[in-house]
Amino acid sequence: RKEVEQDPGPFNVPEGATVAFNCTYSNSASQSFFWYRQDCRKEPKLLMSVYSSGNEDGRFTAQLNRASQYISLLIRDSKLSDSATYLCVVNLGGGYQKVTFGTGTKLQVIP
Amino acid sequence: DAGVIQSPRHEVTEMGQEVTLRCKPISGHNSLFWYRQTMMRGLELLIYFNNNVPIDDSGMPEDRFSAKMPNASFSTLKIQPSEPRDSAVYFCASSSPQGRNPNSGANVLTFGAGSRLTVL
Repeated sequence: RKEVEQDPGPFNVPEGATVAFNCTYSNSASQSFFWYRQDCRKEPKLLMSVYSSGNEDGRFTAQLNRASQYISLLIRDSKLSDSATYLCVVNLGGGYQKVTFGTGTKLQVIP
Repeated sequence: DAGVIQSPRHEVTEMGQEVTLRCKPISGHNSLFWYRQTMMRGLELLIYFNNNVPIDDSGMPEDRFSAKMPNASFSTLKIQPSEPRDSAVYFCASSSPQGRNPNSGANVLTFGAGSRLTVL
């Protein structure tokens, strides 16, 4: 089983739609979780951290479910500019720097 | 802040040639990471350094790959000899304790723009 698994998509959604991605991780000791965004032919950039209690940043909501070992990202009112690949990132925390990236979920927002 | 700077941005070389990729991390960042990204395998961690010391090189594919960090502001990733299967985008990233997420305690990575390598 891969350490971090994501549905590669693509998810094709119309503008204004709500879309959600899940990401599962295998190591139950994982402590830190993030979503990164990667535009075509660009580098990954941090979108948001994922807190245990869940967190929201504008149209984006991240959730963590430790019992089932998955994190989710919800995007409301999708914009054309949201089209990108969304990477799930997990690390063991505790000062250990090694993070593991999922292969990403591709989102295409259609006019 | 100029961010993480990588060079070259693009390199096309022939099989068997030596390739050297360079990275300048963000000033003050004490951790540096080399990743490789391909369509098939996604982002793979090759090696990371903490305070210029290699901590985990378990992702380095084989002896043809080597990485150095002679000082806090410079790192190289070398492939010798290169092979067509090494074709990928190689990213360098850096992080610092100051970038630590207060809730998770984990450091956030800042990536360079990447070096796109094509080995013919």
